[in-house]
Amino acid sequence: AQTVTQSQPEMSVQEAETVTLSCTYDTSESDYYLFWYKQPPSRQMILVIRQEAYKQQNATENRFSVNFQKAAKSFSLKISDSQLGDAAMYFCAYSHTTGNQFYFGTGTSLTVIP
Amino acid sequence: DSGVTQTPKHLITATGQRVTLRCSPRSGDLSVYWYQQSLDQGLQFLIQYYNGEERAKGNILERFSAQQFPDLHSELNLSSLELGDSALYFCASSQTRGRAGELFFGEGSRLTVL
Repeated sequence: AQTVTQSQPEMSVQEAETVTLSCTYDTSESDYYLFWYKQPPSRQMILVIRQEAYKQQNATENRFSVNFQKAAKSFSLKISDSQLGDAAMYFCAYSHTTGNQFYFGTGTSLTVIP
Repeated sequence: DSGVTQTPKHLITATGQRVTLRCSPRSGDLSVYWYQQSLDQGLQFLIQYYNGEERAKGNILERFSAQQFPDLHSELNLSSLELGDSALYFCASSQTRGRAGELFFGEGSRLTVL
């Protein structure tokens, strides 16, 4: 079974600084999706960024970017110019291309220090 | 707004009772997923339905059951409730047609068992 590992239960960053959240996964598939979801205190799950494994180019969404290392099965999230509103729990997730199941990591709680 | 609707948003009940949580997926999405998130915990996958049929089952208790109806809405039934069932229950939907995409989450149903 696929597993998603987030080894950092908690992280903190100074406002306006950059922080990187780590995620590794295990799969025997060659084509799949990877996601980062954000869960702020409201508990709503919000998609931050998505990466398709067949695309070599790293996905970016404004201040959010990923470092996708397919051979290493690593998928880290970089948040640049951190803002107070970035404080949340961040979940890394993996999905087969058929979308049959989505596997979530245990989450990283990000604190942004003013 | 993700397009996924969950009702009720909040529910307080007593041990031993039975409740039904309802989910309407995004228009056009055939797959519905149910997740449980206890306080400060990650997402526990419960069950997935695709176009009315059960597609995958996770850590769902025998006291819990779900179904997806012809109009694609889904219900999660929780019976003989225990204190430990108190959690946020998320419904999510995805296309699962051809190349799958992301999960779209509802706002969750917060269940409190007293």
